[in-house]
Amino acid sequence: ETGVTQSPTHLIKTRGQQVTLRCSSQSGHNTVSWYQQALGQGPQFIFQYYREEENGRGNFPPRFSGLQFPNYSSELNVNALELDDSALYLCASSLLTGHYGYTFGSGTRLTVV
Amino acid sequence: GENVEQHPSTLSVQEGDSAVIKCTYSDSASNYFPWYKQELGKGPQLIIDIRSNVGEKKDQRIAVTLNKTAKHFSLHITETQPEDSAVYFCAASVGGGTGGFKTIFGAGTRLFVKA
Repeated sequence: ETGVTQSPTHLIKTRGQQVTLRCSSQSGHNTVSWYQQALGQGPQFIFQYYREEENGRGNFPPRFSGLQFPNYSSELNVNALELDDSALYLCASSLLTGHYGYTFGSGTRLTVV
Repeated sequence: GENVEQHPSTLSVQEGDSAVIKCTYSDSASNYFPWYKQELGKGPQLIIDIRSNVGEKKDQRIAVTLNKTAKHFSLHITETQPEDSAVYFCAASVGGGTGGFKTIFGAGTRLFVKA
């Protein structure tokens, strides 16, 4: 059974650029959630995808968008990067949508300069 | 929306002692409460969870209690070991309506277990 894999592990971008982060969910999981974790903080919910549709969103602006593919893998896209977007971005998959525990990936460390 | 507060932010205990981390939540509709452990350079790992129809759950040295009336839940680790040193997060899950599901995390507790 494979876990959640995220790519890339580290990324440096310039303010104003766009970035795409990728996530492969754990085998058998059909729901993917994305979180932003600033240094020393708890993960902040960005959004969740279930069956290729957004199924819940946190307090993030529209420049944060996502996709889920038929194989349940997912992408997080961030446009017009700002310095405050520098953080660890975590992807988590779960067996179903609803109240279930997550399996997290190790994250993508994004630095915006 | 849901807000989860977690205390303390840092906790230092001697090996073999117990550790207790407490959380409160704001949305009475929350009905699933997982706890995660995050080690350096890794994503959070689910260690135990509890649903709103249960008051207490135990798994070896780890136990969680839930008081829905007071909107409090706590993590108890007994006989702590150095490998328990990590950051622990509580979380509350709410949703199921048109807004979908959200799992909201606390700010974390950094636990140090001294050998």
